[in-house]
Amino acid sequence: EDKVVQSPLSLVVHEGDTVTLNCSYEVTNFRSLLWYKQEKKAPTFLFMLTSSGIEKKSGRLSSILDKKELFSILNITATQTGDSAIYLCAVGYGGATNKLIFGTGTLLAVQP
Amino acid sequence: GAVVSQHPSWVICKSGTSVKIECRSLDFQATTMFWYRQFPKQSLMLMATSNEGSKATYEQGVEKDKFLINHASLTLSTLTVTSAHPEDSSFYICSAVYRGRFPYEQYFGPGTRLTVT
Repeated sequence: EDKVVQSPLSLVVHEGDTVTLNCSYEVTNFRSLLWYKQEKKAPTFLFMLTSSGIEKKSGRLSSILDKKELFSILNITATQTGDSAIYLCAVGYGGATNKLIFGTGTLLAVQP
Repeated sequence: GAVVSQHPSWVICKSGTSVKIECRSLDFQATTMFWYRQFPKQSLMLMATSNEGSKATYEQGVEKDKFLINHASLTLSTLTVTSAHPEDSSFYICSAVYRGRFPYEQYFGPGTRLTVT
């Protein structure tokens, strides 16, 4: 059975800390791995990763994929209270139109 | 670009009634849209794939007669929850596939919170 597992389930840090969120997967017909940030409403797109070992970076956020070991990490440096959210990892599979299977998410709380 | 809207954003209905939720891609055409459901403190679960001009494909365990999906145009898909029950109360989110670049990306709507009393 296909699955996407995220860890930790929740995390509390202080502003300025660096956090690493983990996502491992077992999905047949893997196409891509995506990271989303979900606050009160629907997820907002962060990164899409398709190739191993190539870091994607956007401001204080970065992510990398290891297709051999079947995992990805999302790093957030110098965290701010606005980073508090649920971070979702999803794996796209199937044909050209990616269906997504989501992980359970990591709830990140950044305290001032 | 790639904005997806949903209407309504929240709805309360009585048990036994039907509710229609609309998903629109505002600035692009989406031949494929997906419908998800999210229960509190849980992740998004794919319910069905909606393809313009053809029947929706439902995931295992999702009742197609209860969750009617119609993808009438390249910018609109609707989900109708028929004979709603309290256990159908959930957050329903749609996404639309933007074929601007490969792999095709999904853009999510803001979600619809359904409460069945």
